[in-house]
Amino acid sequence: DQQVKQNSPSLSVQEGRISILNCDYTNSMFDYFLWYKKYPAEGPTFLISISSIKDKNEDGRFTVFLNKSAKHLSLHIVPSQPGDSAVYFCAASEGNRDDKIIFGKGTRLHILP
Amino acid sequence: NAGVTQNPKFQVLKTGQSMTLQCAQDMNHNSMYWYRQDPGMGLRLIYYSASEGTTDKGEVPNGYNVSRLNKREFSLRLESAAPSQTSVYFCASSEDRGDEQFFGPGTRLTVL
Repeated sequence: DQQVKQNSPSLSVQEGRISILNCDYTNSMFDYFLWYKKYPAEGPTFLISISSIKDKNEDGRFTVFLNKSAKHLSLHIVPSQPGDSAVYFCAASEGNRDDKIIFGKGTRLHILP
Repeated sequence: NAGVTQNPKFQVLKTGQSMTLQCAQDMNHNSMYWYRQDPGMGLRLIYYSASEGTTDKGEVPNGYNVSRLNKREFSLRLESAAPSQTSVYFCASSEDRGDEQFFGPGTRLTVL
């Protein structure tokens, strides 16, 4: 059973517009959430995270929103740029209670010129 | 700092052959991980090591063994490779359990 779900395998967005990537989770013990970005032939790189005590975290063009009651988080990229074309993985962990981070299957984002 | 390094970058094996994938990190991290990435499957945890001297199974451990040689190095061994183990393998490390992980560039393995 998937604990972290990214239901959109791919997403296309016009350059300059907002990209919104969604993620749902089932484990109510998750309290730390992360987004990773992956280019072809490279390892994933950490993008942004959010702790469950917050509902929003912002870093430049990237903002992550967390809705704990809905067990849902989203990554907003504004404005979208060509270099943002990549696969984005949502991930979650139980913080210090567990060693593992559980990854979603990823969403491929295409930024259109 | 090189971060997380992996060797080799590419490997082709025949069914039944064995090999060891090497991983090293220079960030003095406590925890290290091995993942495999398959199309449409995301990143699946094979084994992890929360600290030097300890290893634990992840989601898909069958057919693999690991060794946490020291704090820096964490190797993954395939004793008898099977075509189902064709995948891209990523090693990662984190300062502590549950923290953000830093990934290596990956090893692309093909088993014929």
